[in-house]
Amino acid sequence: EVQLLESGGALVQPGGSLTLSCAASGFTFSTYDMTWVRQVPGKGLDWVSSITKTGATTYYADSVKGRFTISKDNSKNTLYLYMNSLRAEDTAVYHCARDLLASPFWFDEWGQGTLVSVSS
Amino acid sequence: DIQLTQSPSSVSASVGDRVTITCRASQGISRFLGWYQQKPGKAPKLLIFYASTLQSGVPSRFSGSGSGTDFTLTISSLQPEDFATYYCQQGTAFPRTFGRGTKVEIK
Repeated sequence: EVQLLESGGALVQPGGSLTLSCAASGFTFSTYDMTWVRQVPGKGLDWVSSITKTGATTYYADSVKGRFTISKDNSKNTLYLYMNSLRAEDTAVYHCARDLLASPFWFDEWGQGTLVSVSS
Repeated sequence: DIQLTQSPSSVSASVGDRVTITCRASQGISRFLGWYQQKPGKAPKLLIFYASTLQSGVPSRFSGSGSGTDFTLTISSLQPEDFATYYCQQGTAFPRTFGRGTKVEIK
């Protein structure tokens, strides 16, 4: 069974930093591109960042570019999101998602998410 | 960025009804469109990709169509478990973008 388990969400002050982790199991993690998507509670889905299966190429939303860094440790089956200079508008539930294998344009497995709250 | 406009934003329907949701892209995206279902407190679930390809395990009452800028998701006979919010998402370019969602509610 495929499982994606996020952790690391917390209450943090504006300007602070946080690292999210996503532990993957039930599939060959090294063969998949991966993605982070966030969602303000009660609102819509917002793509944050994606990374190719080897970690060689990364993509970011303009709203987080220069502040967030995505990485992938295939030896630990774990996806990360390093978040710096956090703003109130970064408050959301952060989901990690697996890109569809043969067509890495959509996301076929999702974690339940971890809540990041940015507030003083 | 490619904008996706979903309509309606919400729809009230009864069990057994046919429901159609539309998604319009701000520029042509060929068939690089997917649809997701999300229930309260749950993660999104991929229903359809490449505009009309049903994801494994998704009931055949769900179908998708369209290409270019105009797409539809149809539920042929609404079931109780289908009451949820539906999102479209384009996969032709970064940044990936989602529609704002359509909430299917019980009439």
